[in-house]
Amino acid sequence: DVVMTQTPPSLSVAIGQSVSISCKSSQSLVYSDGKTYLHWLLQSPGRSPKRLIYQVSNLGSGVPDRFSGTGSQKDFTLKISRVEAEDLGVYYCAQTTHFPLTFGSGTKLEIK
Amino acid sequence: EVQLKESGPGLVQPSQTLSLTCTVSGFSLTDYSVHWVRQPPGKGLEWMGVMWSGGSTAYNSALKSRLSISRDTSKSQVFLKMNSLQTEDTAIYYCTRVLGFWGQGVMVTVSS
Repeated sequence: DVVMTQTPPSLSVAIGQSVSISCKSSQSLVYSDGKTYLHWLLQSPGRSPKRLIYQVSNLGSGVPDRFSGTGSQKDFTLKISRVEAEDLGVYYCAQTTHFPLTFGSGTKLEIK
Repeated sequence: EVQLKESGPGLVQPSQTLSLTCTVSGFSLTDYSVHWVRQPPGKGLEWMGVMWSGGSTAYNSALKSRLSISRDTSKSQVFLKMNSLQTEDTAIYYCTRVLGFWGQGVMVTVSS
């Protein structure tokens, strides 16, 4: 199975600051079609996960452009610019290139 | 509007079988795959299996011997059955359309 390693496990940030979350995979996430199926999810407290970014850098519908994703092969980053209160929760990276689908262990974002 | 909704019993006795239903709307099961993902209390996400749009299935090898996923396209429903439940199967169970759309989840507690 592909192991997804997320760091840091938690973050505490003030409103308006920027943060980055790292996700590293144990194998390349480039699929045979040339696309990279790495996604970022946010699970707000008490809610279902919501996809923020798909295929490394594509913003999901309705997701503010404060969120951005970069990376390639095995090394990926989610950046949140100008953090807002509604951004708190647990962020997960997930890969759908290989079976089984696997998730990172999550990064908990708290607001100072 | 794409929607998914899980339903099923909240409490299952140890060694019994769990049966869950995912009812979808806004899309056809013959066009999109539906995955099952679970989350133990306070923990991360675990992919369980998938019903492909063509009607075939794939399972997490860790659960494969206990898990079965089926569907009724006329009712827009996907079913999950898992036998020999143990306390460690206590979790929120989600159905999701390839991580882009998620149901609200159903909490299942395994307890006598």
